[in-house]
Amino acid sequence: EAQVTQNPRYLITVTGKKLTVTCSQNMNHEYMSWYRQDPGLGLRQIYYSMNVEVTDKGDVPEGYKVSRKEKRNFPLILESPSPNQTSLYFCASSALALHEQYFGPGTRLTVT
Amino acid sequence: RKEVEQDPGPFNVPEGATVAFNCTYSNSASQSFFWYRQDCRKEPKLLMSVYSSGNEDGRFTAQLNRASQYISLLIRDSKLSDSATYLCAVNVKSNYQLIWGAGTKLIIKP
Repeated sequence: EAQVTQNPRYLITVTGKKLTVTCSQNMNHEYMSWYRQDPGLGLRQIYYSMNVEVTDKGDVPEGYKVSRKEKRNFPLILESPSPNQTSLYFCASSALALHEQYFGPGTRLTVT
Repeated sequence: RKEVEQDPGPFNVPEGATVAFNCTYSNSASQSFFWYRQDCRKEPKLLMSVYSSGNEDGRFTAQLNRASQYISLLIRDSKLSDSATYLCAVNVKSNYQLIWGAGTKLIIKP
Protein backbone atom coordinates (compact mmCIF):
# COMPACT_ATOMS: atom_id res chain seq x y z
CA GLU A 1 0.00 0.00 0.00
CA ALA A 2 1.34 3.41 -1.00
CA GLN A 3 1.70 5.50 2.10
CA VAL A 4 3.55 8.07 4.16
CA THR A 5 4.24 7.04 7.73
CA GLN A 6 5.18 9.20 10.69
CA ASN A 7 6.31 8.31 14.16
CA PRO A 8 5.50 8.95 16.88
CA ARG A 9 1.85 9.91 16.42
CA TYR A 10 1.66 11.61 19.80
CA LEU A 11 4.47 13.07 21.86
CA ILE A 12 4.54 15.05 25.08
CA THR A 13 7.95 16.36 26.02
CA VAL A 14 9.63 19.07 28.06
CA THR A 15 11.39 22.22 26.97
CA GLY A 16 14.91 21.61 25.72
CA LYS A 17 14.79 17.85 25.29
CA LYS A 18 15.89 16.99 21.77
CA LEU A 19 13.47 14.94 19.72
CA THR A 20 13.14 13.47 16.25
CA VAL A 21 9.97 12.78 14.32
CA THR A 22 10.48 10.24 11.58
CA CYS A 23 8.83 10.28 8.17
CA SER A 24 9.02 7.58 5.53
CA GLN A 25 7.35 7.12 2.15
CA ASN A 26 7.23 4.04 -0.07
CA MET A 27 6.23 5.70 -3.33
CA ASN A 28 9.72 6.58 -4.58
CA HIS A 29 8.79 10.25 -4.44
CA GLU A 30 11.44 12.88 -5.08
CA TYR A 31 9.85 15.68 -3.07
CA MET A 32 9.21 15.59 0.66
CA SER A 33 8.05 18.27 3.03
CA TRP A 34 7.26 19.05 6.65
CA TYR A 35 4.35 21.24 7.72
CA ARG A 36 2.97 22.43 10.98
CA GLN A 37 -0.71 23.18 11.43
CA ASP A 38 -2.03 25.55 14.06
CA PRO A 39 -5.65 26.68 14.55
CA GLY A 40 -6.57 29.51 12.22
CA LEU A 41 -3.18 29.51 10.50
CA GLY A 42 -3.48 26.57 8.16
CA LEU A 43 -0.56 24.49 6.99
CA ARG A 44 2.79 26.25 7.11
CA GLN A 45 5.82 24.67 5.54
CA ILE A 46 8.85 24.13 7.74
CA TYR A 47 11.35 22.53 5.35
CA TYR A 48 11.22 20.73 2.06
CA SER A 49 13.51 18.49 0.08
CA MET A 50 13.71 18.22 -3.69
CA ASN A 51 15.81 15.06 -3.56
CA VAL A 52 18.44 13.23 -1.55
CA GLU A 53 20.85 15.67 0.10
CA VAL A 54 18.84 18.66 -1.17
CA THR A 55 16.85 20.52 1.47
CA ASP A 56 15.55 24.06 1.73
CA LYS A 57 13.79 26.26 4.24
CA GLY A 58 10.08 26.78 4.10
CA ASP A 59 8.24 29.63 5.77
CA VAL A 60 8.78 28.69 9.44
CA PRO A 61 12.16 26.88 9.71
CA GLU A 62 13.38 28.42 12.99
CA GLY A 63 14.02 25.82 15.65
CA TYR A 64 13.90 22.86 13.27
CA LYS A 65 16.40 20.77 11.34
CA VAL A 66 15.96 18.14 8.67
CA SER A 67 18.09 15.72 6.73
CA ARG A 68 17.53 13.66 3.57
CA LYS A 69 20.14 10.93 3.47
CA GLU A 70 17.86 8.41 1.76
CA LYS A 71 15.09 9.03 -0.71
CA ARG A 72 12.39 7.44 1.42
CA ASN A 73 13.18 9.12 4.77
CA PHE A 74 12.92 12.73 5.86
CA PRO A 75 13.21 13.12 9.66
CA LEU A 76 12.35 16.35 11.47
CA ILE A 77 14.63 17.26 14.36
CA LEU A 78 13.87 19.66 17.18
CA GLU A 79 17.21 20.27 18.91
CA SER A 80 15.76 22.26 21.81
CA PRO A 81 11.97 22.23 21.72
CA SER A 82 10.04 25.15 23.15
CA PRO A 83 6.35 25.52 24.03
CA ASN A 84 5.68 27.55 20.87
CA GLN A 85 6.51 24.42 18.89
CA THR A 86 3.46 22.69 20.31
CA SER A 87 1.53 21.87 17.16
CA LEU A 88 0.22 19.23 14.76
CA TYR A 89 2.96 18.20 12.34
CA PHE A 90 2.48 16.59 8.93
CA CYS A 91 4.99 15.05 6.61
CA ALA A 92 4.08 14.94 2.92
CA SER A 93 5.59 13.64 -0.28
CA SER A 94 5.00 14.06 -3.99
CA ALA A 95 6.49 12.64 -7.14
CA LEU A 96 7.93 16.04 -8.02
CA ALA A 97 7.71 19.55 -6.59
CA LEU A 98 4.31 21.21 -7.13
CA HIS A 99 2.63 17.88 -7.84
CA GLU A 100 -0.12 16.34 -5.72
CA GLN A 101 1.13 15.82 -2.19
CA TYR A 102 0.32 12.83 -0.01
CA PHE A 103 0.33 13.28 3.72
CA GLY A 104 1.29 11.17 6.68
CA PRO A 105 -1.19 10.74 9.54
CA GLY A 106 0.27 13.57 11.60
CA THR A 107 2.24 13.90 14.84
CA ARG A 108 0.67 15.79 17.70
CA LEU A 109 3.48 17.38 19.71
CA THR A 110 3.09 19.05 23.08
CA VAL A 111 6.06 20.83 24.65
CA THR A 112 5.63 21.80 28.28
CA ARG B 1 -3.25 40.62 1.47
CA LYS B 2 -2.65 36.97 2.29
CA GLU B 3 -0.99 34.86 -0.41
CA VAL B 4 -3.80 32.30 -0.37
CA GLU B 5 -7.10 33.15 1.25
CA GLN B 6 -10.26 31.23 2.06
CA ASP B 7 -13.48 32.10 3.85
CA PRO B 8 -13.20 30.09 7.09
CA GLY B 9 -16.98 29.47 7.27
CA PRO B 10 -18.57 27.43 8.62
CA PHE B 11 -20.94 26.88 5.75
CA ASN B 12 -24.04 25.17 7.09
CA VAL B 13 -25.79 23.46 4.21
CA PRO B 14 -28.75 21.05 4.09
CA GLU B 15 -28.17 17.61 2.70
CA GLY B 16 -28.76 17.46 -1.04
CA ALA B 17 -27.97 21.11 -1.65
CA THR B 18 -25.26 22.53 -3.88
CA VAL B 19 -22.49 24.49 -2.24
CA ALA B 20 -19.54 26.36 -3.64
CA PHE B 21 -16.57 28.12 -2.12
CA ASN B 22 -13.61 30.00 -3.42
CA CYS B 23 -9.91 30.34 -2.78
CA THR B 24 -8.15 33.54 -3.85
CA TYR B 25 -4.44 33.74 -4.55
CA SER B 26 -2.03 36.63 -4.86
CA ASN B 27 0.24 35.70 -7.79
CA SER B 28 -1.12 35.92 -11.31
CA ALA B 29 1.69 33.63 -12.52
CA SER B 30 0.66 30.69 -10.31
CA GLN B 31 0.40 27.39 -12.19
CA SER B 32 -0.39 24.65 -9.66
CA PHE B 33 -3.73 24.50 -7.88
CA PHE B 34 -5.22 21.84 -5.63
CA TRP B 35 -8.21 21.16 -3.43
CA TYR B 36 -7.82 18.95 -0.38
CA ARG B 37 -10.23 17.72 2.20
CA GLN B 38 -9.34 17.46 5.87
CA ASP B 39 -11.43 15.70 8.48
CA CYS B 40 -11.07 16.85 12.07
CA ARG B 41 -7.45 16.53 13.25
CA LYS B 42 -6.57 14.10 10.45
CA GLU B 43 -4.27 14.41 7.48
CA PRO B 44 -5.34 16.39 4.40
CA LYS B 45 -6.35 14.18 1.51
CA LEU B 46 -6.22 15.18 -2.12
CA LEU B 47 -9.64 15.90 -3.54
CA MET B 48 -8.66 17.14 -6.97
CA SER B 49 -6.14 19.12 -8.92
CA VAL B 50 -7.51 22.17 -10.72
CA TYR B 51 -6.84 22.51 -14.43
CA SER B 52 -7.12 25.61 -16.57
CA SER B 53 -10.19 24.32 -18.40
CA GLY B 54 -11.91 23.23 -15.21
CA ASN B 55 -12.47 19.64 -14.21
CA GLU B 56 -15.09 17.44 -12.68
CA ASP B 57 -14.98 14.32 -10.54
CA GLY B 58 -18.41 12.95 -9.77
CA ARG B 59 -20.27 15.50 -7.66
CA PHE B 60 -17.24 17.79 -7.43
CA THR B 61 -16.30 20.48 -9.93
CA ALA B 62 -13.23 22.64 -9.73
CA GLN B 63 -12.65 25.77 -11.76
CA LEU B 64 -9.90 28.31 -12.22
CA ASN B 65 -10.53 31.98 -12.83
CA ARG B 66 -7.19 33.51 -13.77
CA ALA B 67 -8.56 36.98 -14.41
CA SER B 68 -9.85 37.30 -10.86
CA GLN B 69 -7.20 35.00 -9.37
CA TYR B 70 -9.30 32.45 -7.63
CA ILE B 71 -10.17 28.78 -7.80
CA SER B 72 -13.55 27.40 -6.86
CA LEU B 73 -14.94 24.11 -5.66
CA LEU B 74 -18.56 23.19 -6.25
CA ILE B 75 -20.20 20.23 -4.55
CA ARG B 76 -23.52 19.02 -5.91
CA ASP B 77 -26.06 16.85 -4.08
CA SER B 78 -24.12 17.23 -0.85
CA LYS B 79 -23.92 14.26 1.53
CA LEU B 80 -23.50 14.17 5.29
CA SER B 81 -20.08 12.64 4.64
CA ASP B 82 -18.98 15.80 2.81
CA SER B 83 -18.75 17.58 6.16
CA ALA B 84 -15.08 18.50 6.49
CA THR B 85 -12.67 21.37 6.09
CA TYR B 86 -11.64 22.07 2.51
CA LEU B 87 -8.14 23.38 1.91
CA CYS B 88 -6.73 24.92 -1.21
CA ALA B 89 -3.06 24.96 -2.16
CA VAL B 90 -1.40 27.18 -4.76
CA ASN B 91 2.18 27.83 -5.83
CA VAL B 92 2.20 31.60 -5.32
CA LYS B 93 5.94 31.90 -4.93
CA SER B 94 8.63 31.49 -7.58
CA ASN B 95 10.05 28.40 -5.92
CA TYR B 96 9.00 24.85 -5.14
CA GLN B 97 6.49 25.53 -2.40
CA LEU B 98 2.76 25.19 -2.24
CA ILE B 99 1.08 27.77 -0.05
CA TRP B 100 -2.06 26.66 1.74
CA GLY B 101 -5.24 28.42 2.63
CA ALA B 102 -6.45 28.12 6.21
CA GLY B 103 -9.47 26.14 5.04
CA THR B 104 -13.24 26.46 4.73
CA LYS B 105 -15.32 24.44 7.14
CA LEU B 106 -18.38 22.77 5.65
CA ILE B 107 -21.17 21.25 7.73
CA ILE B 108 -23.86 19.27 5.97
CA LYS B 109 -27.07 18.99 7.99
CA PRO B 110 -29.73 16.28 7.61
